[in-house]
Amino acid sequence: GAVVSQHPSRVICKSGTSVKIECRSLDFQATTMFWYRQFPKQSLMLMATSNEGSKATYEQGVEKDKFLINHASLTLSTLTVTSAHPEDSSFYICSARGRGAGEETQYFGPGTRLLVL
Amino acid sequence: AQSVTQPDIHITVSEGASLELRCNYSYGATPYLFWYVQSPGQGLQLLLKYFSGDTLVQGIKGFEAEFKRSQSSFNLRKPSVHWSDAAEYFCAVGARSGYSTLTFGKGTMLLVSP
Repeated sequence: GAVVSQHPSRVICKSGTSVKIECRSLDFQATTMFWYRQFPKQSLMLMATSNEGSKATYEQGVEKDKFLINHASLTLSTLTVTSAHPEDSSFYICSARGRGAGEETQYFGPGTRLLVL
Repeated sequence: AQSVTQPDIHITVSEGASLELRCNYSYGATPYLFWYVQSPGQGLQLLLKYFSGDTLVQGIKGFEAEFKRSQSSFNLRKPSVHWSDAAEYFCAVGARSGYSTLTFGKGTMLLVSP
């Protein structure tokens, strides 16, 4: 139980284009989803927290207009990187917690590798 | 503010030997405590967690961790390491009040030698 999927697993895009990453909880209702960014050989950096049906809460220093987060249902959250630039290249990981999975525990997706050329 | 320290950036252990990964936290009260493992290019998998009760917690893949309040520690152990255990290990803490975010340590890379 408590499976989280992400799609796509990797994406390459041109500078200036937008990229959407999906995060789905497959067997529980995700009342809260989180988006992290991870640089090589580093720990996870929390970007934002989203509750179903509410606007996301962004961490300090994260541009909300650049990283658009939507949590429209209890099983799906999306992260859209708008007007992507090479410095946005990174490993993006989502996590989810909620009903049916132990509400204090975050379960992580497999991550999405973004490369912006 | 809460913080998590994993003092070892990387550790090398011989296959079959025992393992202990250290984790110390700084927090005003007893937080929720977690250990996650990350293989290269993958997401994080939950190994075990401590909320309350027995301070020795059993997890998946033969791992266990012991919560020691007096030392603010939550060290991860395994009696016999397998080559497939080579990965990055993250300790994390979360506040008990409300549905808080997690604070992660910087991770410990485990290398397993034959």
